[in-house]
Amino acid sequence: EIVLTQSPGTLSLSPGERATLSCRASQIVTRNYLAWYQQKPGQAPRLLIYGASSRDTGIPDRFSGSGSGTDFTLTISRLEPEDFAVYYCQHYGSSYTFGQGTKLEIK
Amino acid sequence: QVQLVESGGGVVQPGGSLRLSCAASGFTFSHYGMQWVRQAPGKGLEWVAFIQYDGSKEYSAESVKGRFTISRDNSKNTLNLQMNSLRVEDTAVYFCAKDSQPTPIIHWYFDLWGRGTLVTVSS
Repeated sequence: EIVLTQSPGTLSLSPGERATLSCRASQIVTRNYLAWYQQKPGQAPRLLIYGASSRDTGIPDRFSGSGSGTDFTLTISRLEPEDFAVYYCQHYGSSYTFGQGTKLEIK
Repeated sequence: QVQLVESGGGVVQPGGSLRLSCAASGFTFSHYGMQWVRQAPGKGLEWVAFIQYDGSKEYSAESVKGRFTISRDNSKNTLNLQMNSLRVEDTAVYFCAKDSQPTPIIHWYFDLWGRGTLVTVSS
């Protein structure tokens, strides 16, 4: 089973800044089967990115995903107030595993 | 409206049982695999169980194997989770989630989630 480790655990930034979130896999992720989700308090997770770099429908282009193999990154180019949330990466394909999450908080 | 709505959560004693349901609408339910994902208070997401679009295959996490059973009724657009022998560590919000693609060739990412239902296991 692939273990996903997200870093940092908490990221403190200001609106307008650039956010870079990391997700590292314990084994190579086949075919870039990696997704990113955003979750706000009391809400369900929302799909942002799949296939490591494809944005889901309606996701603003300030969100971008990159990476391959074992190292993946979610970048938010210019933070909006509504972007402060918890972000999870997920491996899919042969099984399901989630990373432990990165909390993006307002500095 | 495309949505998933969970129900059935509540407070139950250790060793007890509970049955969760998830009502689907706005898409062809019978074409998609479905799952349950849970989130303990203040913790991250944990996949619990999957069922194929036609109910012919099911998978569950080791932490719930033998205690939880996932099922579906495609005639009623409903997903279920029967939870038996509940433990304190099963306390969580339980979300149902939809596979993003109809073809069951791999385990897909989830493109639709419900708002969740809270299960509390406590004496």
